Amino acid sequence: DVKVTQSSRYLVKRTGEKVFLECVQDMDHENMFWYRQDPGLGLRLIYFSYDVKMKEKGDIPEGYSVSREKKERFSLILESASTNQTSMYLCASSLFSGNTIYFGEGSWLTVV
Amino acid sequence: ILNVEQSPQSLHVQEGDSTNFTCSFPSSNFYALHWYRWETAKSPEALFVMTLNGDEKKKGRISATLNTKEGYSYLYIKGSQPEDSATYLCASSSGSARQLTFGSGTQLTVLP
Repeated sequence: DVKVTQSSRYLVKRTGEKVFLECVQDMDHENMFWYRQDPGLGLRLIYFSYDVKMKEKGDIPEGYSVSREKKERFSLILESASTNQTSMYLCASSLFSGNTIYFGEGSWLTVV
Repeated sequence: ILNVEQSPQSLHVQEGDSTNFTCSFPSSNFYALHWYRWETAKSPEALFVMTLNGDEKKKGRISATLNTKEGYSYLYIKGSQPEDSATYLCASSSGSARQLTFGSGTQLTVLP
């Protein structure tokens, strides 16, 4: 079975803290993605990666960075968390571009 | 249409009713249309991926159609059951990048 695992389901962080959201997939997929979900706005792409050490900006990259040192792991980094980054974050992977995307269960981040 | 739009935003139906919702997407440079089902506290799960104009896909009581020339897709649920309650997301990809752009979803509640 396909598995995308997000290590932290619920986090509460203070404004200005550095936050790491970790994601691991076990399917040897080339592509990995980070989305955020906000009410009424749908899933918005933050960053994606087509290969190890490769990253591309999505639609809303400001305030975020990513790291992909190994094929199976894709990390989302909030260098200095702000309250407008309170959201639900979804990691996903796909074998190739345009293929079915497989999602993790989401990480709920609250920045206070 | 620049974005992916879904309607209605939400609906409630009685158990046993059939229902359908709409996804509108940019028709230029189209590559694929995806439907996902997202149940509360779970990961979004892929239902269908469609690429050809006139495509029809079916999985049990759920089916979908695709019109790439006019840029819309319909999702149909026949004889709705409470377990069909979920948010249904559509996403389209286009061009060489083939990144998915998601709609904001249709939240379906099936009342017993």
